[in-house]
Amino acid sequence: QQQVKQSPQSLIVQKGGISIINCAYENTAFDYFPWYQQFPGKGPALLIAIRPDVSEKKEGRFTISFNKSAKQFSLHIMDSQPGDSATYFCAATLGDSSYKLIFGSGTRLLVRP
Amino acid sequence: GAVVSQHPSWVICKSGTSVKIECRSLDFQATTMFWYRQFPKQSLMLMATSNEGSKATYEQGVEKDKFLINHASLTLSTLTVTSAHPEDSSFYICSAMPDRLGAFFGQGTRLTVV
Repeated sequence: QQQVKQSPQSLIVQKGGISIINCAYENTAFDYFPWYQQFPGKGPALLIAIRPDVSEKKEGRFTISFNKSAKQFSLHIMDSQPGDSATYFCAATLGDSSYKLIFGSGTRLLVRP
Repeated sequence: GAVVSQHPSWVICKSGTSVKIECRSLDFQATTMFWYRQFPKQSLMLMATSNEGSKATYEQGVEKDKFLINHASLTLSTLTVTSAHPEDSSFYICSAMPDRLGAFFGQGTRLTVV
């Protein structure tokens, strides 16, 4: 119940295309869902995040879609660029004071020029 | 966004020695910091929660005597890998949350034990 399942494991997209990464969870106590971008040899960087009372959040080319009833959320990268090539992790936190992040397994995105 | 600085970025040590990794929140106070371990092409595995002024909380399966955590101030947490062995070689990452709006991560430390 503590898991966040992420798919696909890897993704190849042409430059200018849309990259879509999906995550699903079981625990309805999760109340915050961030996405992180990680380049090789670097720590993850917070990309965008959403709370369950919002169905969509957009920041530049990055959009989170959230389906509370289905317990699923996804990251859409519009107009994907080679510089977006990285590993993306979805995550969730519990609605308690622990602030623990539960990470998905990650998606390695490659954007071809 | 908030800045978390981790030092060193990489370290090579001999088997049997100890290594200390520092994690600092540069522009905010963090009563709680987190330490993760990441193997190649894998997700982040939470090792422990570092609490300022009190003992760290370790995740199941993490040896507290092997991975010593000290959170002596509101801006600094340290992870010491004691009596390091080659199997401890990994990428270690810390994070801190200035508020509930997201965790910020350090740049990570690549530890190689030879």
